[in-house]
Amino acid sequence: DVKVTQSSRYLVKRTGEKVFLECVQDMDHENMFWYRQDPGLGLRLIYFSYDVKMKEKGDIPEGYSVSREKKERFSLILESASTNQTSMYLCASSSLLFGNSPLHFGNGTRLTVT
Amino acid sequence: GQQLNQSPQSMFIQEGEDVSMNCTSSSIFNTWLWYKQDPGEGPVLLIALYKAGELTSNGRLTAQFGITRKDSFLNISASIPSDVGIYFCAGQVPLKGSSNTGKLIFGQGTTLQVKP
Repeated sequence: DVKVTQSSRYLVKRTGEKVFLECVQDMDHENMFWYRQDPGLGLRLIYFSYDVKMKEKGDIPEGYSVSREKKERFSLILESASTNQTSMYLCASSSLLFGNSPLHFGNGTRLTVT
Repeated sequence: GQQLNQSPQSMFIQEGEDVSMNCTSSSIFNTWLWYKQDPGEGPVLLIALYKAGELTSNGRLTAQFGITRKDSFLNISASIPSDVGIYFCAGQVPLKGSSNTGKLIFGQGTTLQVKP
């Protein structure tokens, strides 16, 4: 089974802090994604990557950046956390041949910015 | 950008009842997926649909990919308490001229509660 591991289940940070959310997958998947989940809004794509050192903006990239230095690891960075970034963050991965390998999600990181 | 409208937003039903939820879009998708999220967990894939008109079952779950490629529904028959959770539809947007496949667009989710 694919395992997508997010390093923290819960995080509390202060406004203005730099925040790193880490995600690791163990299935050699090419594609990795960061979503945020908010009530009534579903899952919204922040950034995704289909190869090492490659990244593409999703639908809501403002205030975020990402890093993909190794194939198995995809990091989401909040350069200066703000209260409107309080949310559940979900990492996911998939094989390049997406049609045969839908997204596999981690268990999420619930971030609170005070 | 593309949007998916998922309805209903929430349902509170009696154990044993059947459940139906659907998603519609103004855009065409080439794949429809249905996920379930248990409390405190990430979403888990229930059913994947790859062809217009396709009807697929997974136990008590049945989903269909609409003929117009702009909608999909999920039915759950004879609900049980462990069906509780949030159900998400997701559509994959075709990417032209790309070796990679498209990203997923998610619906807002349907929260299901089942009364024993």
